[in-house]
Amino acid sequence: QVQLVESGGGVVQPGRSLRLSCAASEFTFSSYGMHWVRQAPGKGLEWVAVISYDGSNKYYADSVKGRFTISRDNSKNTLYLQMNSLRTEDTAVYYCAKQGAPLPAASNWFDPWGQGTLVTVSS
Amino acid sequence: DIQMTQSPSTLSASVGDRATITCRASQSISSWLAWYQQKPGKAPKLLIYKASSLESGVPSRFSGSGSGTEFTLTISSLQPDDFATYYCQQYNSYPLTFGGGTKVEIK
Repeated sequence: QVQLVESGGGVVQPGRSLRLSCAASEFTFSSYGMHWVRQAPGKGLEWVAVISYDGSNKYYADSVKGRFTISRDNSKNTLYLQMNSLRTEDTAVYYCAKQGAPLPAASNWFDPWGQGTLVTVSS
Repeated sequence: DIQMTQSPSTLSASVGDRATITCRASQSISSWLAWYQQKPGKAPKLLIYKASSLESGVPSRFSGSGSGTEFTLTISSLQPDDFATYYCQQYNSYPLTFGGGTKVEIK
């Protein structure tokens, strides 16, 4: 069964950095694009970033562009999100999610999702 | 950016009722739409992709329809396990965007 396990969340002060990880197993990680999606407390879902199966293409939400960097290590079956210059509005549960099918663009639904890791930005 | 608008925001219904949730896109997204179910404290779960394709293992009482700018998620007969929040998501273009969610609660 496909498994995605996020880690690295915690409490951080505004302006500081944090790196999230997502360990993937039970599927061919190097064949799928991967996403980060976040959910602020009591709010809806917000897509954050995507990276293609080989890391050659990346796209970001405007709200994080220039501050967050998505990356992957296919040799370790691991996805990352480097978050710099954190703001209080970045407080959320961060989910990693697998692209729906091993094809570009037309398969950008999310299945499955990890359990999420909570990032709290507060002084 | 493509805006996704869900209605209603809250739906009160009873077990056995038929429930219909609508999602409208601010521009045409063809059939590039997915639906998710989320329960409190849990990650979202995929129900439907490509507007009407039922994800494996999802009960057949869930169905999706529509194309272009208007889409519908229908639960034919609500079961106790279906009381949750539902989100639509477009994947026609970046940035990928979600609807605001519909909470299905027990009447």
